[in-house]
Amino acid sequence: AQSVTQLDSQVPVFEEAPVELRCNYSSSVSVYLFWYVQYPNQGLQLLLKYLSGSTLVKGINGFEAEFNKSQTSFHLRKPSVHISDTAEYFCAVRYSSASKIIFGSGTRLSIRP
Amino acid sequence: DAMVIQNPRYQVTQFGKPVTLSCSQTLNHNVMYWYQQKSSQAPKLLFHYYDKDFNNEADTPDNFQSRRPNTSFCFLDIRSPGLGDAAMYLCATSREGTGGLPLHFGNGTRLTVT
Repeated sequence: AQSVTQLDSQVPVFEEAPVELRCNYSSSVSVYLFWYVQYPNQGLQLLLKYLSGSTLVKGINGFEAEFNKSQTSFHLRKPSVHISDTAEYFCAVRYSSASKIIFGSGTRLSIRP
Repeated sequence: DAMVIQNPRYQVTQFGKPVTLSCSQTLNHNVMYWYQQKSSQAPKLLFHYYDKDFNNEADTPDNFQSRRPNTSFCFLDIRSPGLGDAAMYLCATSREGTGGLPLHFGNGTRLTVT
């Protein structure tokens, strides 16, 4: 079955520390991968996307993600987080054979000063 | 700026009283989606319109209906809201036909059922 797994429901980190949010998807021949951020009481905003080409994708707000086909992963990273990065982060996958985008259950990133 | 606009941002309705949420877009996207998001959960797709074609998810209750009178507007109608329908409702759009394109979300409408 097609699925997306975000193993960490919450990730607390100190300000200016690096962070990695994990995302794994069920295997498929080809996929389109996305990371969205959701601030409180707002909609989802696209951080970055992988469609094809370079496996390292850079997004907004200093985030980047690496597509790893052999491990079916698309982990999100930032080398130094800021208080303003406190939000919920959703990984999403779109399989070429389907029209629906499947969301992971989300990871709440909390930044400690 | 091209965008997805949802009105109202906050909606309070009474148990069983019909309510309509609205969404408009200036992106000229051909697909519009409605998602339900409950606290600390992923958005759950209710249905979407691909142009004029309505696509309902199998597990979407009959209580939820949608209308898309034109390309720019889409409405979510909840015929008889229950307490369990209290949630954030998110509208999203995309341009299909080329594959792999992301969703563009509005800021959502938070529905409270009293």
